Amino acid sequence: NAGVMQNPRHLVRRRGQEARLRCSPMKGHSHVYWYRQLPEEGLKFMVYLQKENIIDESGMPKERFSAEFPKEGPSILRIQQVVRGDSAAYFCASSRDWMNTEAFFGQGTRLTVV
Amino acid sequence: GQQLNQSPQSMFIQEGEDVSMNCTSSSIFNTWLWYKQDPGEGPVLLIALYKAGELTSNGRLTAQFGITRKDSFLNISASIPSDVGIYFCAGQPPPTGANSKLTFGKGITLSVRP
Repeated sequence: NAGVMQNPRHLVRRRGQEARLRCSPMKGHSHVYWYRQLPEEGLKFMVYLQKENIIDESGMPKERFSAEFPKEGPSILRIQQVVRGDSAAYFCASSRDWMNTEAFFGQGTRLTVV
Repeated sequence: GQQLNQSPQSMFIQEGEDVSMNCTSSSIFNTWLWYKQDPGEGPVLLIALYKAGELTSNGRLTAQFGITRKDSFLNISASIPSDVGIYFCAGQPPPTGANSKLTFGKGITLSVRP
């Protein structure tokens, strides 16, 4: 039973390019959460999605960031026109139900903007 | 918004010693979770607590959900070198509609001296 799969593990982008981060939840999980982690910081909530719906995007920057979780395929976190401050580790978690209880995390995507 | 406080930022102990970590909040949480994160990896769930006063063990780990629902602690007994890592507490507030995202503390970095 595979866990939460994120790819790529490492992503390097030049300023102004686009970054696409993918997350496949655990089998049987239909709720996905994206978190951002800066060095020596905790995880900051970004967005909560169910299949085809954004439930809570209160942690997402208003510009350049978007997320989707289509009916088929992985959840995608998209960052347009990346800037150096976007460099961070981005983690995806999934859970079976909306209570977010016992959310399981992927290994993360480390984005470096050069 | 809700904040979880973990301190100190770092702890240094001798192999074989016990260690206790605390997590406090100014607001009530319905669920407390403790995660461990190794370098370059995603957080791994250690213990989940669902009821005020609940005491739960997982091997050498013991965690308690505070009676006031505003704090939790994690104990590690007879520490070993592989206990090194960052320990995060996370809380889930009472549900408001479908929004029940986890809030994370900043984490405590544990070092174990052989």
